[in-house]
Amino acid sequence: EAQVTQNPRYLITVTGKKLTVTCSQNMNHEYMSWYRQDPGLGLRQIYYSMNVEVTDKGDVPEGYKVSRKEKRNFPLILESPSPNQTSLYFCASSSGQGGSGYTFGSGTRLTVV
Amino acid sequence: GQNIDQPTEMTATEGAIVQINCTYQTSGFNGLFWYQQHAGEAPTFLSYNVLDGLEEKGRFSSFLSRSKGYSYLLLKELQMKDSASYLCAVDQTGANNLFFGTGTRLTVIP
Repeated sequence: EAQVTQNPRYLITVTGKKLTVTCSQNMNHEYMSWYRQDPGLGLRQIYYSMNVEVTDKGDVPEGYKVSRKEKRNFPLILESPSPNQTSLYFCASSSGQGGSGYTFGSGTRLTVV
Repeated sequence: GQNIDQPTEMTATEGAIVQINCTYQTSGFNGLFWYQQHAGEAPTFLSYNVLDGLEEKGRFSSFLSRSKGYSYLLLKELQMKDSASYLCAVDQTGANNLFFGTGTRLTVIP
């Protein structure tokens, strides 16, 4: 089944403790992206990647890092999480072909205390 | 600056037709997407417009006017399961870095 898999689904952590949210897609998509979703603010792009070793900042990249060493994986790294990074995170991938749109993962609900 | 405007909430009756509007001002334009998102779930792709006009897909249609920076999503024969948020998003650069509006929460009532 074609899908984007994120882990974990839920995570509660403490301020300053480094964490990684994994994302993997099995559709051989070139484009991958991370979004966060907050009430009243909608989906905001954190980082995106157009191919292996090609990443760029989205609208809200501060406090996050990403890497794209393989086509299928696009982990999101929070080096020193803070409470304002408490949010619902979505990974998404796309073939980039006109109109194909993003396929989203199931989401990761992160709470930083 | 960049901005996408959608109504925050709408209510419609089962079996009726509802139109959800979206206006956008973005740094670039390479297509407009509509997504559906049920509470607590991931967004799912509904439609894509890159040229002016209407795209029809079953009960759902989407319209685009690039000169007016305007799109709408039309849902016909509403069903209770259509209660969800509907997200308008613009591909600004053709590189799939979609810029999303805050979404419209639609409630379908019997």
